Amino acid sequence: QKEVEQNSGPLSVPEGAIASLNCTYSDRGSQSFFWYRQYSGKSPELIMSIYSNGDKEDGRFTAQLNKASQYVSLLIRDSQPSDSATYLCAVIASGNTPLVFGKGTRLSVIA
Amino acid sequence: GAVVSQHPSWVICKSGTSVKIECRSLDFQATTMFWYRQFPKQSLMLMATSNEGSKATYEQGVEKDKFLINHASLTLSTLTVTSAHPEDSSFYICSAGGIRGESTDTQYFGPGTRLTVL
Repeated sequence: QKEVEQNSGPLSVPEGAIASLNCTYSDRGSQSFFWYRQYSGKSPELIMSIYSNGDKEDGRFTAQLNKASQYVSLLIRDSQPSDSATYLCAVIASGNTPLVFGKGTRLSVIA
Repeated sequence: GAVVSQHPSWVICKSGTSVKIECRSLDFQATTMFWYRQFPKQSLMLMATSNEGSKATYEQGVEKDKFLINHASLTLSTLTVTSAHPEDSSFYICSAGGIRGESTDTQYFGPGTRLTVL
């Protein structure tokens, strides 16, 4: 059973702080890793993808991957109230196979 | 970025009727489309995977005769909920993957269809 685990939260951070979201996965053969943001009542929106160990930065977002520890994280710098949403970690074992989603972490950025 | 549309965005129907949901990739061709269902405060649950021109692959526990999927072209997939019942009320979301020129792993989601069965 391929599993993706996330802390459900809520994770509360003050505006301007760094939000750190974590995710672990069970399938050691996983190759592709994604972070999606989902606002209440809306569909997921792709934020970041990462495929190799290390950090990948895009604006205020940084994804970190450690395949040895089977761990992927998302850092949000200078958090804004508009970042308040549920963040879904998703993993794929190989191309065109389904995403395996975590249950998501609810982030609340307090103004 | 790739745009995926769904129609309708919301639908209310009587118990026993059938509802068809369309998923279109607007500016690209996708070899694979996925259908998900999401109940309130829960994560997305994959229902089925469809490849253009072939039969859909359903996840365990999903009734293929109740949730009919047709993937007639590289830009259109449809999900038909047959003989809908109140327990089928949910948020149905499609995604498109296998986009040419991008990693085949990347999937883009449609905006979702909220189905309410009375």
